Amino acid sequence: GQQLNQSPQSMFIQEGEDVSMNCTSSSIFNTWLWYKQDPGEGPVLLIALYKAGELTSNGRLTAQFGITRKDSFLNISASIPSDVGIYFCAGFDRGSTLGRLYFGRGTQLTVWP
Amino acid sequence: GAGVSQSPSNKVTEKGKDVELRCDPISGHTALYWYRQSLGQGLEFLIYFQGNSAPDKSGLPSDRFSAERTGGSVSTLTIQRTQQEDSAVYLCASSLSRESRGQFFGPGTRLTVL
Repeated sequence: GQQLNQSPQSMFIQEGEDVSMNCTSSSIFNTWLWYKQDPGEGPVLLIALYKAGELTSNGRLTAQFGITRKDSFLNISASIPSDVGIYFCAGFDRGSTLGRLYFGRGTQLTVWP
Repeated sequence: GAGVSQSPSNKVTEKGKDVELRCDPISGHTALYWYRQSLGQGLEFLIYFQGNSAPDKSGLPSDRFSAERTGGSVSTLTIQRTQQEDSAVYLCASSLSRESRGQFFGPGTRLTVL
């Protein structure tokens, strides 16, 4: 099956620092999604990417869809305490008859004030 | 309208008992998904409903797990003869269609099997 490798598993940073995390896949996806999950909540969609090479921003967040379609990264600039949470990448194949998302294991982000 | 809702938010049960978890998707969303999240793990796909099509059950871990979706809206995930390894957060998500941009998740049901 398709495997998503997400790194790093955890990050401990100081408020104001920039953050970068990435996700690689053994298979090609034509959609990459980045979610954030707060404790006790379901994941919330942050950014969606649909084309190889696409670079998309959402406020302080920037994500890119790799040219090979097997990877994606998420950057957070000037981190703030509310950025704390678990960030998940997810891949989706729009050409498949299946509807599932394949998720990475997540990156736990801790921001020190 | 409102987002995806799930009930109960927490469920504690004894090993061997059956449990039912409920999901109310966003109104108008034709696609509905169930995932399972174990402590410190990513999300594991369980089952997917799309309109009136036959569901994709390929992610269900055993025949103790089943799900149905009535009237194209509310869905129930049933776990029979629960085991301790079934303890996890069960997340439901819905999307406007299979091709739509992203899935919207509910808050989950935390299941603890004693």
